[in-house]
Amino acid sequence: GAVVSQHPSRVICKSGTSVKIECRSLDFQATTMFWYRQFPKQSLMLMATSNEGSKATYEQGVEKDKFLINHASLTLSTLTVTSAHPEDSSFYICSARPTGVGGDTQYFGPGTRLTVL
Amino acid sequence: GEDVEQSLFLSVREGDSSVINCTYTDSSSTYLYWYKQEPGAGLQLLTYIFSNMDMKQDQRLTVLLNKKDKHLSLRIADTQTGDSAIYFCAERGYQAGTALIFGKGTTLSVSS
Repeated sequence: GAVVSQHPSRVICKSGTSVKIECRSLDFQATTMFWYRQFPKQSLMLMATSNEGSKATYEQGVEKDKFLINHASLTLSTLTVTSAHPEDSSFYICSARPTGVGGDTQYFGPGTRLTVL
Repeated sequence: GEDVEQSLFLSVREGDSSVINCTYTDSSSTYLYWYKQEPGAGLQLLTYIFSNMDMKQDQRLTVLLNKKDKHLSLRIADTQTGDSAIYFCAERGYQAGTALIFGKGTTLSVSS
């Protein structure tokens, strides 16, 4: 079945540093990937839509310069949290929509827990 | 804008049926989903239903859709302790490539 991986699964960093999170579709191509953020005991909030070969589309209130998204290939999207602060601590989840026939759902990665000290 | 609402908590005894309810506002929703999230884990797709269906059954899971009332429910028969998790209802609009809109999740607690 369709598998999406995220790396790393957990990361702890110091305030002011940048962290890169990778999202990979392992056995399918994904023209579109999505990045969500989940606060404790809350729902997933869409941060941005990542399209291969073009700029990401950010949701209102999400800072483009802080959350850099790169979707350089059909199987990889990266989210870089720049100059991370404790309030950026959260669970980041990506999802990928298969390209072409059968793309009626999204496959989610296992998530990355970011803790900023 | 689009909104998805769920009750936050449900507590049942092992062996009983659980019914988790969800309402949504986007009338153009084409697919409606139920995801399960266990503590510290990502999301697991449980089932989904297309908007032209009223019901879908998959083993212990039954999804009912009332499109007129924009109401979706997930019934888990013979609930087990391993079913304890957060269940998210999500909807997706008509356009391909659109993201999912999630409810806040219902925490299901199953006691033995």
